[in-house]
Amino acid sequence: SAVISQKPSRDICQRGTSLTIQCQVDSQVTMMFWYRQQPGQSLTLIATANQGSEATYESGFVIDKFPISRPNLTFSTLTVSNMSPEDSSIYLCSVATGTGNNQPQHFGDGTRLSIL
Amino acid sequence: AQSVTQLDSHVSVSEGTPVLLRCNYSSSYSPSLFWYVQHPNKGLQLLLKYTSAATLVKGINGFEAEFKKSETSFHLTKPSAHMSDAAEYFCVVSGGVGFNKFYFGSGTKLNVKP
Repeated sequence: SAVISQKPSRDICQRGTSLTIQCQVDSQVTMMFWYRQQPGQSLTLIATANQGSEATYESGFVIDKFPISRPNLTFSTLTVSNMSPEDSSIYLCSVATGTGNNQPQHFGDGTRLSIL
Repeated sequence: AQSVTQLDSHVSVSEGTPVLLRCNYSSSYSPSLFWYVQHPNKGLQLLLKYTSAATLVKGINGFEAEFKKSETSFHLTKPSAHMSDAAEYFCVVSGGVGFNKFYFGSGTKLNVKP
């Protein structure tokens, strides 16, 4: 399985500011994903990030609020823009490795974000 | 359409006793099913996966799960709980050809009493 590093691990931000979260993988992967986990909740997929194409966003998430970059096969960033207290969540990146259908995803430790 | 229902939001067991975390799924396809564990301040770790091979799946740390198509269930069990098993557990369904979206259950928090 892949080793995934996320930075920062946590942050406290002021409302109206933006934060960029980095996700680094120790091997080349085609598919990377960004999830949000609101306090006490399960995971919700924000978007799928494939290298060389625009990210695909899920319903309820837009590029202006959550711009994503995927410059190569080992790295991606998620920016949370113009933050409000409702954006306080854990943000996790994951990757799908292996070949074949429905491979498991492997997750980073997440970024714990609090907005004041 | 695909969905997952985790029937218990909290489960409490004593150390050394069996663990049962219940999961029911709905899928339009032959599903792939996964269990993940999330320890405090950590990401999700894959415990085990079912992808249409043997219906009884063995995972890490002594956990196993049985796929029962007739009951649309994929319950997670462990014969003897350990204090280190205290965490949140997520059941996930996916399905179809190629990559498909993961659908997460709402999670079950397992408490292990000494």
